[in-house]
Amino acid sequence: DVKVTQSSRYLVKRTGEKVFLECVQDMDHENMFWYRQDPGLGLRLIYFSYDVKMKEKGDIPEGYSVSREKKERFSLILESASTNQTSMYLCASSFLTSEQSNEQFFGPGTRLTVL
Amino acid sequence: RKEVEQDPGPFNVPEGATVAFNCTYSNSASQSFFWYRQDCRKEPKLLMSVYSSGNEDGRFTAQLNRASQYISLLIRDSKLSDSATYLCAVGGGYQKVTFGTGTKLQVIP
Repeated sequence: DVKVTQSSRYLVKRTGEKVFLECVQDMDHENMFWYRQDPGLGLRLIYFSYDVKMKEKGDIPEGYSVSREKKERFSLILESASTNQTSMYLCASSFLTSEQSNEQFFGPGTRLTVL
Repeated sequence: RKEVEQDPGPFNVPEGATVAFNCTYSNSASQSFFWYRQDCRKEPKLLMSVYSSGNEDGRFTAQLNRASQYISLLIRDSKLSDSATYLCAVGGGYQKVTFGTGTKLQVIP
Protein backbone atom coordinates (compact mmCIF):
# COMPACT_ATOMS: atom_id res chain seq x y z
CA ASP A 1 0.00 0.00 0.00
CA VAL A 2 1.16 3.49 -0.84
CA LYS A 3 1.60 5.49 2.27
CA VAL A 4 1.90 9.24 2.51
CA THR A 5 2.27 10.57 6.02
CA GLN A 6 2.19 14.10 7.34
CA SER A 7 3.87 15.18 10.53
CA SER A 8 0.81 16.59 12.30
CA ARG A 9 -2.96 16.25 11.95
CA TYR A 10 -3.67 19.48 13.81
CA LEU A 11 -1.42 22.46 14.38
CA VAL A 12 -2.03 25.81 16.06
CA LYS A 13 0.47 28.60 15.54
CA ARG A 14 0.65 32.31 16.17
CA THR A 15 0.92 35.05 13.59
CA GLY A 16 4.53 35.59 12.59
CA GLU A 17 5.77 32.16 13.59
CA LYS A 18 7.77 30.03 11.20
CA VAL A 19 5.89 26.81 10.47
CA PHE A 20 7.21 23.55 9.05
CA LEU A 21 4.91 20.93 7.60
CA GLU A 22 6.55 17.63 6.78
CA CYS A 23 5.45 14.97 4.33
CA VAL A 24 6.97 11.53 3.77
CA GLN A 25 6.06 8.92 1.15
CA ASP A 26 7.27 5.34 1.00
CA MET A 27 6.60 4.43 -2.64
CA ASP A 28 9.67 5.93 -4.27
CA HIS A 29 7.52 8.47 -6.13
CA GLU A 30 9.37 11.16 -8.02
CA ASN A 31 6.61 13.78 -7.80
CA MET A 32 5.45 15.39 -4.60
CA PHE A 33 2.89 18.14 -4.17
CA TRP A 34 1.58 20.52 -1.53
CA TYR A 35 -2.00 21.74 -1.72
CA ARG A 36 -4.25 23.74 0.52
CA GLN A 37 -7.95 23.08 0.63
CA ASP A 38 -10.49 25.71 1.61
CA PRO A 39 -14.30 25.61 1.49
CA GLY A 40 -15.59 26.81 -1.85
CA LEU A 41 -12.10 27.05 -3.32
CA GLY A 42 -11.21 23.39 -3.53
CA LEU A 43 -7.67 22.07 -3.74
CA ARG A 44 -5.12 24.65 -4.82
CA LEU A 45 -1.55 23.75 -5.68
CA ILE A 46 1.10 25.61 -3.69
CA TYR A 47 4.32 23.96 -4.87
CA PHE A 48 5.40 20.71 -6.39
CA SER A 49 8.65 18.86 -6.93
CA TYR A 50 9.58 16.25 -9.53
CA ASP A 51 13.01 15.42 -8.16
CA VAL A 52 15.31 15.96 -5.22
CA LYS A 53 16.23 19.62 -4.84
CA MET A 54 13.82 20.56 -7.65
CA LYS A 55 10.76 22.69 -7.04
CA GLU A 56 8.17 24.42 -9.13
CA LYS A 57 5.64 27.06 -8.11
CA GLY A 58 2.03 26.12 -8.22
CA ASP A 59 -0.92 28.46 -8.39
CA ILE A 60 -0.57 30.10 -4.96
CA PRO A 61 3.10 30.04 -3.85
CA GLU A 62 3.13 33.43 -2.13
CA GLY A 63 4.00 33.20 1.53
CA TYR A 64 5.31 29.63 1.22
CA SER A 65 8.55 27.87 0.42
CA VAL A 66 9.47 24.21 0.10
CA SER A 67 12.41 21.90 0.56
CA ARG A 68 13.14 18.52 -0.97
CA GLU A 69 16.49 17.22 0.25
CA LYS A 70 15.54 13.54 0.03
CA LYS A 71 13.31 11.78 -2.46
CA GLU A 72 10.84 10.60 0.13
CA ARG A 73 10.44 13.87 2.01
CA PHE A 74 8.87 17.16 0.97
CA SER A 75 8.57 20.02 3.43
CA LEU A 76 6.34 23.07 3.27
CA ILE A 77 7.53 26.15 5.11
CA LEU A 78 5.50 29.17 6.13
CA GLU A 79 8.18 31.78 6.75
CA SER A 80 5.90 34.07 8.76
CA ALA A 81 2.49 32.59 9.35
CA SER A 82 -0.54 34.79 8.81
CA THR A 83 -4.18 34.25 9.66
CA ASN A 84 -5.10 33.86 5.98
CA GLN A 85 -2.91 30.75 5.92
CA THR A 86 -5.34 28.96 8.22
CA SER A 87 -6.34 25.99 6.11
CA MET A 88 -6.17 22.24 5.52
CA TYR A 89 -2.81 21.35 3.96
CA LEU A 90 -2.58 18.19 1.91
CA CYS A 91 0.54 16.53 0.62
CA ALA A 92 0.43 14.16 -2.34
CA SER A 93 2.84 12.07 -4.40
CA SER A 94 2.81 10.35 -7.77
CA PHE A 95 5.04 8.57 -10.24
CA LEU A 96 6.75 10.59 -12.91
CA THR A 97 6.01 9.47 -16.46
CA SER A 98 6.51 11.39 -19.63
CA GLU A 99 3.87 13.94 -20.55
CA GLN A 100 0.89 12.58 -18.68
CA SER A 101 -0.20 13.08 -15.11
CA ASN A 102 -0.69 10.10 -12.87
CA GLU A 103 -2.81 9.16 -9.90
CA GLN A 104 -1.87 11.18 -6.86
CA PHE A 105 -1.81 9.61 -3.42
CA PHE A 106 -2.65 11.95 -0.60
CA GLY A 107 -1.61 12.17 3.00
CA PRO A 108 -4.23 12.59 5.74
CA GLY A 109 -3.81 16.36 5.84
CA THR A 110 -2.72 18.89 8.44
CA ARG A 111 -5.31 21.32 9.70
CA LEU A 112 -3.37 24.48 10.50
CA THR A 113 -4.87 27.29 12.52
CA VAL A 114 -2.99 30.59 12.74
CA LEU A 115 -4.11 32.82 15.59
CA ARG B 1 -13.40 30.99 -16.75
CA LYS B 2 -12.11 28.52 -14.20
CA GLU B 3 -9.80 25.79 -15.50
CA VAL B 4 -12.00 23.05 -14.06
CA GLU B 5 -15.60 23.58 -13.00
CA GLN B 6 -18.06 21.44 -11.11
CA ASP B 7 -21.53 21.99 -9.73
CA PRO B 8 -20.97 22.05 -5.96
CA GLY B 9 -24.38 20.48 -5.23
CA PRO B 10 -25.41 19.08 -2.88
CA PHE B 11 -27.11 16.36 -4.83
CA ASN B 12 -29.60 14.67 -2.50
CA VAL B 13 -30.73 11.37 -3.99
CA PRO B 14 -32.63 8.39 -2.59
CA GLU B 15 -30.98 5.03 -2.23
CA GLY B 16 -31.10 3.08 -5.46
CA ALA B 17 -31.24 6.16 -7.67
CA THR B 18 -28.92 6.92 -10.56
CA VAL B 19 -27.01 10.18 -10.36
CA ALA B 20 -24.64 11.87 -12.78
CA PHE B 21 -22.07 14.62 -12.32
CA ASN B 22 -20.34 16.63 -14.99
CA CYS B 23 -17.07 18.49 -14.88
CA THR B 24 -16.01 20.97 -17.54
CA TYR B 25 -12.43 21.95 -18.33
CA SER B 26 -11.05 24.86 -20.30
CA ASN B 27 -7.71 23.59 -21.60
CA SER B 28 -8.32 21.69 -24.82
CA ALA B 29 -4.79 20.25 -24.63
CA SER B 30 -5.56 18.36 -21.40
CA GLN B 31 -4.43 14.74 -21.49
CA SER B 32 -5.33 13.11 -18.19
CA PHE B 33 -8.65 12.96 -16.41
CA PHE B 34 -9.62 11.56 -13.05
CA TRP B 35 -12.43 11.30 -10.53
CA TYR B 36 -11.48 11.35 -6.86
CA ARG B 37 -13.70 10.70 -3.88
CA GLN B 38 -13.28 12.63 -0.64
CA ASP B 39 -15.09 11.64 2.53
CA CYS B 40 -15.75 14.24 5.20
CA ARG B 41 -12.51 15.22 6.96
CA LYS B 42 -10.50 12.71 4.93
CA GLU B 43 -8.04 12.96 2.09
CA PRO B 44 -9.07 12.52 -1.55
CA LYS B 45 -8.65 9.05 -3.01
CA LEU B 46 -8.72 8.04 -6.63
CA LEU B 47 -12.06 6.63 -7.69
CA MET B 48 -11.23 6.10 -11.33
CA SER B 49 -9.23 7.43 -14.22
CA VAL B 50 -11.20 8.53 -17.26
CA TYR B 51 -10.16 7.18 -20.63
CA SER B 52 -11.10 8.38 -24.08
CA SER B 53 -13.20 5.28 -24.66
CA GLY B 54 -14.97 5.63 -21.34
CA ASN B 55 -14.65 3.16 -18.53
CA GLU B 56 -16.80 1.35 -16.05
CA ASP B 57 -16.10 -0.05 -12.61
CA GLY B 58 -19.09 -1.79 -11.11
CA ARG B 59 -21.78 0.81 -10.50
CA PHE B 60 -19.55 3.67 -11.65
CA THR B 61 -19.12 4.82 -15.23
CA ALA B 62 -16.84 7.63 -16.34
CA GLN B 63 -16.86 9.25 -19.76
CA LEU B 64 -14.85 11.87 -21.58
CA ASN B 65 -16.25 14.23 -24.19
CA ARG B 66 -13.31 16.02 -25.76
CA ALA B 67 -15.43 17.98 -28.24
CA SER B 68 -17.43 19.63 -25.47
CA GLN B 69 -14.58 19.49 -22.96
CA TYR B 70 -16.23 17.73 -20.09
CA ILE B 71 -15.99 14.51 -18.15
CA SER B 72 -18.87 12.78 -16.44
CA LEU B 73 -19.39 10.32 -13.63
CA LEU B 74 -22.49 8.15 -13.45
CA ILE B 75 -23.36 6.26 -10.29
CA ARG B 76 -26.06 3.61 -10.58
CA ASP B 77 -28.00 2.06 -7.72
CA SER B 78 -26.72 4.62 -5.20
CA LYS B 79 -25.76 3.35 -1.76
CA LEU B 80 -25.65 5.26 1.50
CA SER B 81 -21.90 4.67 1.47
CA ASP B 82 -21.60 6.65 -1.78
CA SER B 83 -22.25 9.86 0.18
CA ALA B 84 -19.10 11.92 -0.27
CA THR B 85 -17.65 14.77 -2.28
CA TYR B 86 -16.53 13.85 -5.78
CA LEU B 87 -13.63 15.81 -7.21
CA CYS B 88 -12.70 15.84 -10.85
CA ALA B 89 -9.08 16.41 -11.79
CA VAL B 90 -7.64 17.35 -15.15
CA GLY B 91 -4.00 17.01 -16.14
CA GLY B 92 -2.61 19.65 -18.44
CA GLY B 93 0.84 18.19 -18.67
CA TYR B 94 4.07 18.43 -16.71
CA GLN B 95 2.74 16.17 -13.98
CA LYS B 96 0.31 18.65 -12.47
CA VAL B 97 -3.42 18.28 -12.27
CA THR B 98 -6.04 20.89 -11.57
CA PHE B 99 -8.85 19.87 -9.28
CA GLY B 100 -12.43 21.01 -9.40
CA THR B 101 -14.01 22.27 -6.20
CA GLY B 102 -16.03 19.09 -5.85
CA THR B 103 -19.64 17.96 -6.02
CA LYS B 104 -21.25 16.86 -2.80
CA LEU B 105 -23.47 13.79 -2.94
CA GLN B 106 -25.82 12.81 -0.15
CA VAL B 107 -27.65 9.51 -0.54
CA ILE B 108 -30.80 9.44 1.55
CA PRO B 109 -32.37 6.27 3.00
